[in-house]
Amino acid sequence: AQSVTQLDSQVPVFEEAPVELRCNYSSSVSVYLFWYVQYPNQGLQLLLKYLSGSTLVESINGFEAEFNKSQTSFHLRKPSVHISDTAEYFCAVTNRSNDYKLSFGAGTTVTVRA
Amino acid sequence: EAQVTQNPRYLITVTGKKLTVTCSQNMNHEYMSWYRQDPGLGLRQIYYSMNVEVTDKGDVPEGYKVSRKEKRNFPLILESPSPNQTSLYFCASSLNSLGTGNNYGYTFGSGTRLTVV
Repeated sequence: AQSVTQLDSQVPVFEEAPVELRCNYSSSVSVYLFWYVQYPNQGLQLLLKYLSGSTLVESINGFEAEFNKSQTSFHLRKPSVHISDTAEYFCAVTNRSNDYKLSFGAGTTVTVRA
Repeated sequence: EAQVTQNPRYLITVTGKKLTVTCSQNMNHEYMSWYRQDPGLGLRQIYYSMNVEVTDKGDVPEGYKVSRKEKRNFPLILESPSPNQTSLYFCASSLNSLGTGNNYGYTFGSGTRLTVV
């Protein structure tokens, strides 16, 4: 079985400052990794994913995440945040042999202030 | 438009009164799943289905039932709801593992906020 730990439940940040959301996973087999974003009163949207290949993956709105197998981490970063990035962010993992089961972390709430 | 549609969006019910939350997807996905979201706990999987007539328990299945008679529909049934089932519920669907690449990953519905009093 796999599991996900998001190390920060709340991250306040000023507009145009950088942000990093930490995610560590546990699995005995190879994994796929995801970050989802949930804007206030909305459903979840896929932000980015790591399936294979380059360990650095990017989203269209400036976020990036790096898969680090030795540290079992998949931290999410953005060099300069906007007010519109205020949301809850979820890290998720599935193992490659049983990929119908997506396991989520508890979530990190990012609040961007002017 | 490719989407997962859940109904209703909001529901208030009383303890013990059977209810069904519907979920439908138009993407011909094989995998479908139900999650509940609770503060501080993230999303936890209730049930999942790998294909028509193939369903199995997730992490928190107690008090819930599902069925998958058609590929597009995956209703969640609460036979006798209790207050501890008050939560935000999400249905999701995905291509199977053979569909890795740009289209891989779960697509979520907009959610159903259920209150049991």
